[in-house]
Amino acid sequence: KNQVEQSPQSLIILEGKNCTLQCNYTVSPFSNLRWYKQDTGRGPVSLTIMTFSENTKSNGRYTATLDADTKQSSLHITASQLSDSASYICVVSLSYHGGATNKLIFGTGTLLAVQP
Amino acid sequence: GAGVSQSPSNKVTEKGKDVELRCDPISGHTALYWYRQSLGQGLEFLIYFQGNSAPDKSGLPSDRFSAERTGGSVSTLTIQRTQQEDSAVYLCASSLVSVAETQYFGPGTRLLVL
Repeated sequence: KNQVEQSPQSLIILEGKNCTLQCNYTVSPFSNLRWYKQDTGRGPVSLTIMTFSENTKSNGRYTATLDADTKQSSLHITASQLSDSASYICVVSLSYHGGATNKLIFGTGTLLAVQP
Repeated sequence: GAGVSQSPSNKVTEKGKDVELRCDPISGHTALYWYRQSLGQGLEFLIYFQGNSAPDKSGLPSDRFSAERTGGSVSTLTIQRTQQEDSAVYLCASSLVSVAETQYFGPGTRLLVL
């Protein structure tokens, strides 16, 4: 079964600290992996998109890694800010004949709270 | 507009009533998606429109759900004879051309069926 599992479910850190969120997936065939940030009451905002050939991608203080062999990804947040408090969602896209499809499998997210 | 907009932002309805949710994608985006987000659950795919192609309706949970996209722009999601389990946030997203590109999400419509 195609699944995306994220850990931890929730996390509390102090402002200025770093943290790493994990994503394991069993989606196959795989096309790409995305990380989204979703603020409370808002729609998700894309942070990174990685294909199977990419093993790291950065967006400011966010760095995503991908190990397609072990089917694991992580999102590292550096020097956290209060505004980083949100749900972080890992999403994996199914492939069809080597190309991307609209079949996206969403994880349930990691809820991050950054405290002053 | 600058982003994807959805209306209404909140909708409270009685069980058995029909509701219509509207999505205005980013101008020029040919791909449009509808998702449902229930409390504590991951986003669930509902339907996908791409240009003039037949929509992918494989995610619609029952025949009470339908969606249209007029003129390749605005889309409406209709839920007939609403049930309490339909209560959720309904999110719309658009992307420029292909599913491999960044999706831009709207703020969602929060639907509560009493």
